Formats: sequence, C-alpha cells, structure tokens
Amino acid sequence: DAKTTQPPSMDCAEGRAANLPCNHSTISGNEYVYWYRQIHSQGPQYIIHGLKNNETNEMASLIITEDRKSSTLILPHATLRDTAVYYCIVRDSNDMRFGAGTRLTVKP
Amino acid sequence: GAVVSQHPSWVICKSGTSVKIECRSLDFQATTMFWYRQFPKQSLMLMATSNEGSKATYEQGVEKDKFLINHASLTLSTLTVTSAHPEDSSFYICSAPGVSGEKLFFGSGTQLSVL
Repeated sequence: DAKTTQPPSMDCAEGRAANLPCNHSTISGNEYVYWYRQIHSQGPQYIIHGLKNNETNEMASLIITEDRKSSTLILPHATLRDTAVYYCIVRDSNDMRFGAGTRLTVKP
Repeated sequence: GAVVSQHPSWVICKSGTSVKIECRSLDFQATTMFWYRQFPKQSLMLMATSNEGSKATYEQGVEKDKFLINHASLTLSTLTVTSAHPEDSSFYICSAPGVSGEKLFFGSGTQLSVL
C-alpha cells in the first residue's frame, strides 16, 4: 500500500528545471519523505530525503509543504540522463515500499 | 555511499530448476536486507525482509517455500527461486540499509528468465 500519489508521467525540456510533485496526505509525524529514481533495468538510486525542512544536495532539492502533506522534487537543470522513473516514498519503520512513480522524460 | 553488489545480473534457466541470487553489502554490515520483485512496466514490490541469523519475514502472498532466503552473515543474503516456472520470470532487486539506517542502498538487480 503506497502512501503517495504521483502523476504517471511528465516531460521536461533539457536544461530546464524539472519539478516532480508528490502527494502524501496521510503522512505521520515521524515519517520521512524519500525520493529515488530508477533508470531502465537498473536498481533504484537514492536522490534525497527529508522530514520537515527543505533539503538540497548535489543532485536535487526537496521542498516539503508546511503541513507535510505534499512535496516537490526539483532537478534544477535536467539533462537527458535524468530520464527515469522517479519514486516518492514515505518511509515507515524499516522497509521501503514503492508506489507507481512518475516517468520523467527529458527532451532535447 | 555504501555499495550493494548483486549477482548474477541476469540468468536464464529451464523450468523446474532452482536459481540462487546473491546480495552482498561490500563495505558495511547489514543485519537486514530487503528483496523486491519487479515485473515489466510495474513498480518494485517488496517480497521479503531478510534477517541475519533468523528467519526471513515474507510479505502476504509470497510463498516462503518457493522463495528461500538465507542471511547467513552480516554481508550476504541469498534468494533461491526453487522449481522456477515461466511466471517467476522477473527482475529481482535487493537492498540494505546503510550504517545510519537512513538510506537504503540497492543492488543492480537480477533479470531472471525461465524457459
């Protein structure tokens, strides 16, 4: 049972920012929001995670709303290699359960 | 970051045979590892949680006698698909939490094709 809702697909122009939304309206206070991506036929790759505050690393930025019911992953300058399925995951306890994700296609 | 090595990356076998997939944490110890299965154009589905030194915990609907999991050491978990059939053909992926437990690191996956 995925606790997140994401659009099934999105397109983005190369060099532009890609903003991927995620709805997690039932998130509880101690649950983190994680983002992973999966390029075809590979294992998922960690991108970023956060609890309440916005986070930024070398790959992306994570913006979490104040009520924590939704978040947005931002890839600031998308490249063709960012084409992948992006998974937003609310993690409870130990394991990690994946929803359907968003298939991002970066176009030249 | 931590590295999880999975082997083999692909395997083709005849129906009725058994196939073993290995998952190793290369530079850290993992008391817990997770096994996922992914069918084409679908998301990852958690199959089971592998626990070092004790029995694995299987998700509802996953046959424990068909998917044997052994976690004999702190760096190795194995998944054996017993008496494989064509419907078991899938992409199998393992993962392990890093030292802090905050991140899960994933193997590169094993594509199993049963003829």
